[in-house]
Amino acid sequence: DAGVTQSPTHLIKTRGQQVTLRCSPISGHKSVSWYQQVLGQGPQFIFQYYEKEERGRGNFPDRFSARQFPNYSSELNVNALLLGDSALYLCASSLAFGSSYEQYFGPGTRLTVT
Amino acid sequence: DQQVKQNSPSLSVQEGRISILNCDYTNSMFDYFLWYKKYPAEGPTFLISISSIKDKNEDGRFTVFLNKSAKHLSLHIVPSQPGDSAVYFCAASARTGANNLFFGTGTRLTVIP
Repeated sequence: DAGVTQSPTHLIKTRGQQVTLRCSPISGHKSVSWYQQVLGQGPQFIFQYYEKEERGRGNFPDRFSARQFPNYSSELNVNALLLGDSALYLCASSLAFGSSYEQYFGPGTRLTVT
Repeated sequence: DQQVKQNSPSLSVQEGRISILNCDYTNSMFDYFLWYKKYPAEGPTFLISISSIKDKNEDGRFTVFLNKSAKHLSLHIVPSQPGDSAVYFCAASARTGANNLFFGTGTRLTVIP
């Protein structure tokens, strides 16, 4: 079975630009979460979606937005990119919403903002 | 505001010996704790978890201990193997509200053959 997949693997953008990152969950998983991992830090929660509805939002500015599609895949959008947005963006999927459901992570998208 | 802390950025252990990785948390609402392992260029991989109603959970070579009064948990790996060399993240969540994970900053474990 395929795990969580993310695209693209790497991305270089310029300050002020916009970026869209994509995530496909494990087949059968209905919940997707997004995390940002800055170098030297642990992953930090951005969003969680379950059944196409936002179920949680971390402490990130409104420049960050996300959505989940009927096939449970998800996109993370970041507008007006700043240098500080350079990070590894991780997507995680789980069967459903709730802490008893393990989250499985994809390999991440490495975003570099210059 | 770091609610989950891993104060040791790195740890080196000889093959066959015990590895002990430590984690502290500050939020009393956390009731579910996990350890993830991360290799370079890969996402974190779930290793083992423990609910706050337990003080120990064991899975093969991996054991997690939880001390709620001290808000402290630890991961024991016995015996350590070179393939265990990776960055280990401690994470916590609360059953109420969104089940987002709060991660520590990670400990890089190196197992020396």
